[in-house]
Amino acid sequence: AQKITQTQPGMFVQEKEAVTLDCTYDTSDQSYGLFWYKQPSSGEMIFLIYQGSYDEQNATEGRYSLNFQKARKSANLVISASQLGDSAMYFCAMREGRRSSASKIIFGSGTRLSIRP
Amino acid sequence: GAVVSQHPSWVICKSGTSVKIECRSLDFQATTMFWYRQFPKQSLMLMATSNEGSKATYEQGVEKDKFLINHASLTLSTLTVTSAHPEDSSFYICSASRPTLNTEAFFGQGTRLTVV
Repeated sequence: AQKITQTQPGMFVQEKEAVTLDCTYDTSDQSYGLFWYKQPSSGEMIFLIYQGSYDEQNATEGRYSLNFQKARKSANLVISASQLGDSAMYFCAMREGRRSSASKIIFGSGTRLSIRP
Repeated sequence: GAVVSQHPSWVICKSGTSVKIECRSLDFQATTMFWYRQFPKQSLMLMATSNEGSKATYEQGVEKDKFLINHASLTLSTLTVTSAHPEDSSFYICSASRPTLNTEAFFGQGTRLTVV
């Protein structure tokens, strides 16, 4: 069975510093996709970044980058130059069978990130 | 703009009544949609997979007679919480992906259900 683990329940970071949010996963499937979502207090799920298991390059989207280490089954999110608006809950998620939109996505327990001014 | 729309965003209902939540894909056809439940300060727990034209697939421990799912068209899935009780109070959120591009899963705005 697939599983996502986020070991940091909460983190505090000074504004403008970089922050790494940890995520490890477990799957027996060779083909899968990894996601990171941001959930502010409003509850909406904001897509940040995606990494496919066969992608050779680490994904990047603006200030977000994904440190993908396939052998270690880790997919850490790196946020550069943090901003006050980055304060939110962050979820790592995985979909097995990355080419299928019908495959379910499961979520880790989340990390609450708080940015200090 | 939003590509998956969920309605209502919040609802308060009395114990024993039923509540219907709608999830629509706005600019693509979704043969599969997913329903999640989220308790305060917790993660999203998958409840069921909604399949257009066929029965939903429920996760272990989710009562299918309690949480009725109907996916009658390629753009609409509904979740009905039947005979609601206070313990059903939660945040419910749906998700769908474009069939040809599944590198992003779109979420509805979520529905905060309070049963009194």
